[in-house]
Amino acid sequence: AQSVTQLGSHVSVSEGALVLLRCNYSSSVPPYLFWYVQYPNQGLQLLLKYTSAATLVKGINGFEAEFKKSETSFHLTKPSAHMSDAAEYFCAVEGEAGGFKTIFGAGTRLFVKA
Amino acid sequence: DTGVSQNPRHKITKRGQNVTFRCDPISEHNRLYWYRQTLGQGPEFLTYFQNEAQLEKSRLLSDRFSAERPKGSFSTLEIQRTEQGDSAMYLCASSARTGVNTEAFFGQGTRLTVV
Repeated sequence: AQSVTQLGSHVSVSEGALVLLRCNYSSSVPPYLFWYVQYPNQGLQLLLKYTSAATLVKGINGFEAEFKKSETSFHLTKPSAHMSDAAEYFCAVEGEAGGFKTIFGAGTRLFVKA
Repeated sequence: DTGVSQNPRHKITKRGQNVTFRCDPISEHNRLYWYRQTLGQGPEFLTYFQNEAQLEKSRLLSDRFSAERPKGSFSTLEIQRTEQGDSAMYLCASSARTGVNTEAFFGQGTRLTVV
């Protein structure tokens, strides 16, 4: 079965500092991987997705993620945090081959300090 | 079309009552998903439709839960005899699988509170 593990339920950074949110996945088939962002009382918005093309994926709002098969990781980074980046971030993997549900990690809440 | 629409946004109900939520997906999307999200957790898959066919249901979806998508357009999720443990955000998403574009677009959710 496919799964994702997000390391750290909370991450706090200063404004302007590097953002690093960690995600490791488990999959028996080449995965499709996603990062979503959720603001309070809102639905999820796709930040970026990996679909077996380039291993370094660039997304919206200056975020990017690198797929590392050897480490089964898909960490999310942003060089310089902004106050508006404070939100909940979810790493996700598409389900089993032939299945279509997306499996989400437990989420990492990002706090940005002024 | 401005995206996936869910109604109502909030619902407070007494334990034991039935509730129904509606989801209107993006019009050209043939796939529709329901997820449940509890506080501090990621969304958990409940069920999935391709057009009007319900192709997969999670074990989380007890007999009190039923979902329909009668004409392959909007969908409803009904919870009968609600329990306090049903309190959660219910998210709907839709997607159109073309090539490798498997992105699911989410609605803003319906927050259910059972008192």
